[in-house]
Amino acid sequence: EVQVVESGGGLVQPGGSLRLSCAASGFTFSSYEMNWVRQAPGKGLEWVAYISSSGSSIHYADAVKGRFTISRDNAKNSLYLQMSSLRGEDTAVYYCASHYDGSGVWFEYWGQGTLVTVAS
Amino acid sequence: EIVMTQSPATLSVSPGERATLSCRASQSVSSNLAWYQQKPGQAPRLLIFGASTRATGIPARFSGSGSGTEFTLTISSLQSEDFAVYYCQHYNNWPVTFGQGTRLEIK
Repeated sequence: EVQVVESGGGLVQPGGSLRLSCAASGFTFSSYEMNWVRQAPGKGLEWVAYISSSGSSIHYADAVKGRFTISRDNAKNSLYLQMSSLRGEDTAVYYCASHYDGSGVWFEYWGQGTLVTVAS
Repeated sequence: EIVMTQSPATLSVSPGERATLSCRASQSVSSNLAWYQQKPGQAPRLLIFGASTRATGIPARFSGSGSGTEFTLTISSLQSEDFAVYYCQHYNNWPVTFGQGTRLEIK
């Protein structure tokens, strides 16, 4: 059974930092490209960051470029998002979403999300 | 950045009826389009990729069509569990972007 579980969310002050984690099981993690997608309260979906299966290729949304860093550890079947210089507009549920290496960038497996709240 | 525009914002349909949801891209995305369903408090679920290919386990009442800039998601006979928010997403280039969603509600 495929399982994707995010963790690390919480309340953080503006300007602060937070590290999200995503633990995957039930599929060959090293064969999947991984992403973070977020959803502000009551709003739509916004892609945030992408990392290739090997970690050699990375892309970011302009809204987070220079502030967020995506990484992965294939030995631990884990994905990470280091977030710094956080702003109120970063408040959202953050989802870990995956797609098979070599397929298009559609999101096949999703976690249940972890809520990040940026407020003083 | 390619802007995805979904219409209508809200669609009211009776159970058993057909629902047609539209998605328009600001420039051609070929057939690089996916559709998702999201219910309250849940993660999105992939329905369609490649504009018209159903994902694993998706019932045949869901169908996708279109290419270029105009796309449609059709639900042929609405079941109670189909009332949700639907998003389209292009993956033609970076950044991938989503439409703002269509809320499908019971009439």
